[in-house]
Amino acid sequence: QSVLTQPPSASGTPGQRVTISCSGAGPNIGSNNVNWHQQFPGAAPKLLMFGNTQRPSGVPDRFSGSKSGTSASLAISGLQPEDEADYYCAVWDDSLNGQVFGGGTRVTVL
Amino acid sequence: QVQLVQSGAEVKKPGASVRVSCKASGYIFTSYFLHWVRQAPGQGLEWVGMLNPSSGITNYAQKFQDRVNMTRDTSTSTVDMDLAGLRSEDTAIYYCARGTRWLIKDWGHGTLVTVSS
Repeated sequence: QSVLTQPPSASGTPGQRVTISCSGAGPNIGSNNVNWHQQFPGAAPKLLMFGNTQRPSGVPDRFSGSKSGTSASLAISGLQPEDEADYYCAVWDDSLNGQVFGGGTRVTVL
Repeated sequence: QVQLVQSGAEVKKPGASVRVSCKASGYIFTSYFLHWVRQAPGQGLEWVGMLNPSSGITNYAQKFQDRVNMTRDTSTSTVDMDLAGLRSEDTAIYYCARGTRWLIKDWGHGTLVTVSS
């Protein structure tokens, strides 16, 4: 059972907007910045979003992040076939004194 | 460029211990935390713990407190993770990752640890 709650799956057709939610609590999302990692099958994860809304260099601007209270979201606008992957939210938890991850969301492009 | 090169796959019997190494290059080793994250087959990511290479101070997830040990060698820019008392549920890919205390930035390629009798 993950500390952060994500939907197990999300899908859309090319060009659509897909949103992934990440629900937490006061000691984690409520107190710290949320980060997102993208993972393709058979590959290591890669940082996709940090500080709630910041994209590392090279990440397309169709990816955007937001946070409100104890929840965060990752949005993919203009979904592309190459966006099919697993997406994980991650945040520091002050109570557990460690990193916590969401269970992951598999994005499928129909 | 930043590189995190991990040791090769391991097969261990239940009850044994395993050491996974992570050699860092391309940046100042003591300037970033080294995290360990694992992923069981078909499952999500699970944080194991982290080490501050500058001080050697560690911080482990409560679940692993009594059987994990992380150490570093600043002369070789290497961090080792030892996990004892292996059981089948420890079968996973173990990733080392560079970052700050609060943010994992760069991931290693992963090391598969298989626990089987």
